[in-house]
Amino acid sequence: QQQVRQSSQSLTVWEGETAILNCSYENSAFDYFPWYQQFPGEGPALLIAIRSVSDKKEDGRFTIFFNKREKNLSLHIKDSQPGDSATYFCAASLGAQGLTFGLGTRVSVFP
Amino acid sequence: DMKVTQMPRYLIKRMGENVLLECGQDMSHETMYWYRQDPGLGLQLIYISYDVDSNSEGDIPKGYRVSRKKREHFSLILDSAKTNQTSVYFCASRATNERLFFGHGTKLSVL
Repeated sequence: QQQVRQSSQSLTVWEGETAILNCSYENSAFDYFPWYQQFPGEGPALLIAIRSVSDKKEDGRFTIFFNKREKNLSLHIKDSQPGDSATYFCAASLGAQGLTFGLGTRVSVFP
Repeated sequence: DMKVTQMPRYLIKRMGENVLLECGQDMSHETMYWYRQDPGLGLQLIYISYDVDSNSEGDIPKGYRVSRKKREHFSLILDSAKTNQTSVYFCASRATNERLFFGHGTKLSVL
């Protein structure tokens, strides 16, 4: 059973639009939720993260909305740019046990 | 310099051969991980190392073993490689704020 689920395998948006990526999780003990961005041929890199005590985290054009009761979260990419085209992984963890990743959402931003 | 280095970047082996994947980090992080990434399966955790000679199985440890004799080095070993171990392998190290730093990956093909 997938512990972390991403609702879309792929997402296409036009430049300037807001891309919304959705994620849900099973284990209510998870307390740390990062989003990682991966470009082809590279390793994933941390984009933004939120802890379960918060319901929103913003960093520039990227915002996480977190709903602990519903066990879901979303990543909003405002004013999407072609350079944002990448695969985005939602992940969750509890302590140092290692991140559990979703399967990823490939985002394509067209000019 | 905050870097995770993986060697080699590409590797081709025959079924039954032994494989050694190496990983180094320059951040003195205690905790390190090995993941594999396959299309449609996301990133799966193979092994965790909490420090020198303190290793723990992840979600898919079968067919793999690890070695950590120095804090900055973490090796993944495949004894008698199998074709289903063809994958991209990522090493990561964990900062105290839970951020993971990933290497560029090793693409392993087992023929």
